[in-house]
Amino acid sequence: GAVVSQHPSWVICKSGTSVKIECRSLDFQATTMFWYRQFPKQSLMLMATSNEGSKATYEQGVEKDKFLINHASLTLSTLTVTSAHPEDSSFYICSARQSTNEKLFFGSGTQLSVL
Amino acid sequence: GQQLNQSPQSMFIQEGEDVSMNCTSSSIFNTWLWYKQDPGEGPVLLIALYKAGELTSNGRLTAQFGITRKDSFLNISASIPSDVGIYFCAGQLGGSNYKLTFGKGTLLTVNP
Repeated sequence: GAVVSQHPSWVICKSGTSVKIECRSLDFQATTMFWYRQFPKQSLMLMATSNEGSKATYEQGVEKDKFLINHASLTLSTLTVTSAHPEDSSFYICSARQSTNEKLFFGSGTQLSVL
Repeated sequence: GQQLNQSPQSMFIQEGEDVSMNCTSSSIFNTWLWYKQDPGEGPVLLIALYKAGELTSNGRLTAQFGITRKDSFLNISASIPSDVGIYFCAGQLGGSNYKLTFGKGTLLTVNP
């Protein structure tokens, strides 16, 4: 089946630094990828929709300058948390839409801890 | 925006028992999906429903797409310990809108 690889699976960083998270579709092309964040014991909240070759569409309340999204190829989208603060600590999950059949597949998530 | 109400929030059952959980929406979805999430992992798709009234099974799991298109349920029969996890419903409008709206999840605990 289709595999979405998310890297790193966990990261600890100091406050003020930037962190990049990668989302790759390993065996299919994904024109659209989605980025979610999930706080403990809560649901997944959509942050932004990433379209290959164009600017991401952010959900209301998500700071586009803080959460930079790049979708430069059909198999890779990146989320950069800039100037991270402790309140940015969360579980970040990506999903990719398979272009041929429109199915969505999720990555395994990245646990970000900002000290 | 659209909201999904998922219930129950949590369930504690004995191995072998059947389980039922459901989601309701304030507005219509054209696709309903059910996911399972293990700790520290991304959600894994269990069942996808594409037509109102559709009843679909995947092993011991059965899900239905409500005829009003505003609700869905998931049943798990003869539960086993590995069924433990968080189950999420998700709705999708479809067409050119692929965004998923998730329910708040049902935490299932199965006692052996």
